[in-house]
Amino acid sequence: DVKVTQSSRYLVKRTGEKVFLECVQDMDHENMFWYRQDPGLGLRLIYFSYDVKMKEKGDIPEGYSVSREKKERFSLILESASTNQTSMYLCASSLGRGLSGYTFGSGTRLTVV
Amino acid sequence: QQQVKQSPQSLIVQKGGIPIINCAYENTAFDYFPWYQQFPGKGPALLIAIRPDVSEKKEGRFTISFNKSAKQFSLHIMDSQPGDSATYFCAASSGSGGGADGLTFGKGTHLIIQP
Repeated sequence: DVKVTQSSRYLVKRTGEKVFLECVQDMDHENMFWYRQDPGLGLRLIYFSYDVKMKEKGDIPEGYSVSREKKERFSLILESASTNQTSMYLCASSLGRGLSGYTFGSGTRLTVV
Repeated sequence: QQQVKQSPQSLIVQKGGIPIINCAYENTAFDYFPWYQQFPGKGPALLIAIRPDVSEKKEGRFTISFNKSAKQFSLHIMDSQPGDSATYFCAASSGSGGGADGLTFGKGTHLIIQP
């Protein structure tokens, strides 16, 4: 089974801190995605990547950046964390562009205080 | 702009009943429509998916019905069980032909199957 591993299950950070969320997949998937999940808002796409060093903005990229230096690893960066970035963050990977199922990690619940 | 509208937001059904969750989309370029199931503390998991060249797809107790002209699709769960209690998300993407975005998700339906 494809496994998507998010490095932290829970994180608490202070306003203004730089935050790194790490995601690793073990099945050589080309595509990786970062979503945030908030009650009543569903899953919203932040950034995605089709290949190493490639990145594309999703629906809500403001306040975030990403890095994909290796195929298996996709990092989400909060340059200066704010309280409105408190959320559940979900990483996913897939073989093809939208044509195959995504495999999600278990999520990182980030609280910014 | 919400591109995939999902309803209802929550649903309670007795065991053995057939919960139905509906989704509507606006973007006619969408050509892949999956449903995801999420249990508390877990990431969403792919349940079943359909392409617009068919009107129905069944996998076990789960069925997707697709109406291309109405731009709607729905999930039916036959003989529902308490273990089906979860949050369900519909999604859509325009994956074929390259140049695709990530999946666009509905806001989710919290389903409870009562024993």
